[in-house]
Amino acid sequence: NAGVTQTPKFQVLKTGQSMTLQCAQDMNHEYMSWYRQDPGMGLRLIHYSVGAGITDQGEVPNGYNVSRSTTEDFPLRLLSAAPSQTSVYFCASRHRENAPLHFGNGTRLTVT
Amino acid sequence: DQQVKQNSPSLSVQEGRISILNCDYTNSMFDYFLWYKKYPAEGPTFLISISSIKDKNEDGRFTVFLNKSAKHLSLHIVPSQPGDSAVYFCAAAVSGDYKLSFGAGTTVTVRA
Repeated sequence: NAGVTQTPKFQVLKTGQSMTLQCAQDMNHEYMSWYRQDPGMGLRLIHYSVGAGITDQGEVPNGYNVSRSTTEDFPLRLLSAAPSQTSVYFCASRHRENAPLHFGNGTRLTVT
Repeated sequence: DQQVKQNSPSLSVQEGRISILNCDYTNSMFDYFLWYKKYPAEGPTFLISISSIKDKNEDGRFTVFLNKSAKHLSLHIVPSQPGDSAVYFCAAAVSGDYKLSFGAGTTVTVRA
């Protein structure tokens, strides 16, 4: 039981490049989400999904796309990377409302 | 506009003494609160939670206190141990809403 797995662990992009951050969970959780962590800002919600085929925007969605074709996977796409997207990205899942979130170990992204 | 605030970025405490971490929130609809602990290069892990129907919840060395009228909660760690050195995030949610709002975090250092 691996929990929440994020790949890659580290990534460097040039401004304007695109990439996909991968997230997979093996706990059959319905709810999945993406957060970014920035110094002094805590964790801010980017996008979330309450089940396969259903996604919605969080607090800071601009510049990111998501899709949820299966219960297990929830990739985050950066369409045209900007230096402001330099951050640590965490994927998290939970079984139901009011259950604790389970986090992956993060992807550290640098955009130059 | 951050709805969950942790106004102390850091806390240093001697081993064996009490650590007290504070958290304030502005959204009166929040009725479920959690604390997460994060070590470097890892994702946050769930520590303890409290529902608004309680004013205290205890789990071993960790106790969370909730003061709804003041919109304030605190986490007490007694006694503090070197392994408690980490970043602690306060989070809040509205029941029925999957989204969690996080504070900016408090870095705790336990001195030997």
